[in-house]
Amino acid sequence: DTEVTQTPKHLVMGMTNKKSLKCEQHMGHRAMYWYKQKAKKPPELMFVYSYEKLSINESVPSRFSPECPNSSLLNLHLHALQPEDSALYLCASSQGTGANVLTFGAGSRLTVL
Amino acid sequence: EDQVTQSPEALRLQEGESSSLNCSYTVSGLRGLFWYRQDPGKGPEFLFTLYSAGEEKEKERLKATLTKKESFLHITAPKPEDSATYLCAVQAGSGGYQKVTFGTGTKLQVIP
Repeated sequence: DTEVTQTPKHLVMGMTNKKSLKCEQHMGHRAMYWYKQKAKKPPELMFVYSYEKLSINESVPSRFSPECPNSSLLNLHLHALQPEDSALYLCASSQGTGANVLTFGAGSRLTVL
Repeated sequence: EDQVTQSPEALRLQEGESSSLNCSYTVSGLRGLFWYRQDPGKGPEFLFTLYSAGEEKEKERLKATLTKKESFLHITAPKPEDSATYLCAVQAGSGGYQKVTFGTGTKLQVIP
């Protein structure tokens, strides 16, 4: 079983909906990440929360907004998405932000109609 | 800009037929090179970390090696359960957050 838990596993939403993806880890890791992965493409970094500081990939549109309630939880709020945002959204964590191994969750498959 | 190129894009092997996957990289200040395995519809699973040229790591039928410009993932006598996409990633830079750049992966199919 993965040590990074993502919910929901599947999400279908309309372009006017507001939804959230959730991620939780209990490994004491201090950095958490959101990645987006399209079919046959590598994971693409969206956000990093490390030691309560947020780093953003500047190409990510504002219809995606991360929230880190505490060091174990990371949410991704979705609003007014487009069909091209349909993808596998992966959460990951690492001990820090040096050359550390990423532990990935199983992903949330998002479909935007 | 950091670049990671993997080849081949896809590889089909007979069970027991050994081969190698390649990961070429161009980065400034390599901190680590990682290999991950990804099954369809799932998150990547960590395999190895390599930090410096000449380093080698082994796990069951897999062996990863690193030079100053590329890394190889050698698969010895593969089995059907080794079928997956293998991703190479590099982490580079200094201070603060060090970005991880993924390659596009090699999709391996092992036929019984």
